[in-house]
Amino acid sequence: GESVGLHLPTLSVQEGDNSIINCAYSNSASDYFIWYKQESGKGPQFIIDIRSNMDKRQGQRVTVLLNKTVKHLSLQIAATQPGDSAVYFCAENPLGSARQLTFGSGTQLTVLP
Amino acid sequence: KAGVTQTPRYLIKTRGQQVTLSCSPISGHRSVSWYQQTPGQGLQFLFEYFSETQRNKGNFPGRFSGRQFSNSRSEMNVSTLELGDSALYLCASSPDIQGGYGYTFGSGTRLTVV
Repeated sequence: GESVGLHLPTLSVQEGDNSIINCAYSNSASDYFIWYKQESGKGPQFIIDIRSNMDKRQGQRVTVLLNKTVKHLSLQIAATQPGDSAVYFCAENPLGSARQLTFGSGTQLTVLP
Repeated sequence: KAGVTQTPRYLIKTRGQQVTLSCSPISGHRSVSWYQQTPGQGLQFLFEYFSETQRNKGNFPGRFSGRQFSNSRSEMNVSTLELGDSALYLCASSPDIQGGYGYTFGSGTRLTVV
C-alpha cells in the first residue's frame, strides 16, 4: 500500500546533541522524498528533499539519508537547538502523482535545555 | 516574495452549513494543492489544481470540492458540514508539473464545526 510511517511519535534530545528522526515508506515507486517541519499554528515548512537516485543530501545542519533497499528515510539534525522543537514529517511523492504527497504521521521533537 | 496566503485563518461553522476557504499561491506558481490535517488522520491530500483544472483528487467525499481561477488563486468548498470536518486545511503551491519541487504551504485555515 501507499503509506509512510514514522518509527517514533516523540523524540527528546538535549540542546547541542544531534537528532535522528526516522521514517519508513512502503511505495517502492516513490522517486522523491521531502522532510517538513511544522511548528504550532503554522503550516509545514520545507526542510530538505532527496530524489531516489541519491543516498544522501546535506543542507544547513540537516542531512537526509535514503536507503532504498529497506525503504527507509532519516533526517539528521546537527547541534539541535531549541528552535528545532517541532513536529517533523516525512513525505513521499510517488512517481506519476505529480502533486500528491503522502505524509507520515509525524515525530514531535522536543529539545531539552 | 509573498508566501502562500490562506484566508480566513479561523472559522467556526455549524453542522449542515457550507464553507469556502481561499488560497492565494506564490506569484508564478500554477499548481495549488489542498490538504486536510487532523490529529487522528494526519495530513491527507484533498485535491490539486493546475491551470484551472483538477489534476488529482484524494479519497474524500463529494462534499469537498474546489476550483482554481485564471490567476491561480484557489478555493475549496465543503458542503453539509459534519463535526468530523473540523481540521486544519492547508494549501500548498508549486511552480512545477513534475515532482514536489518548491512545494510551499500556507499557514492554514482552522475550521471548527460545532
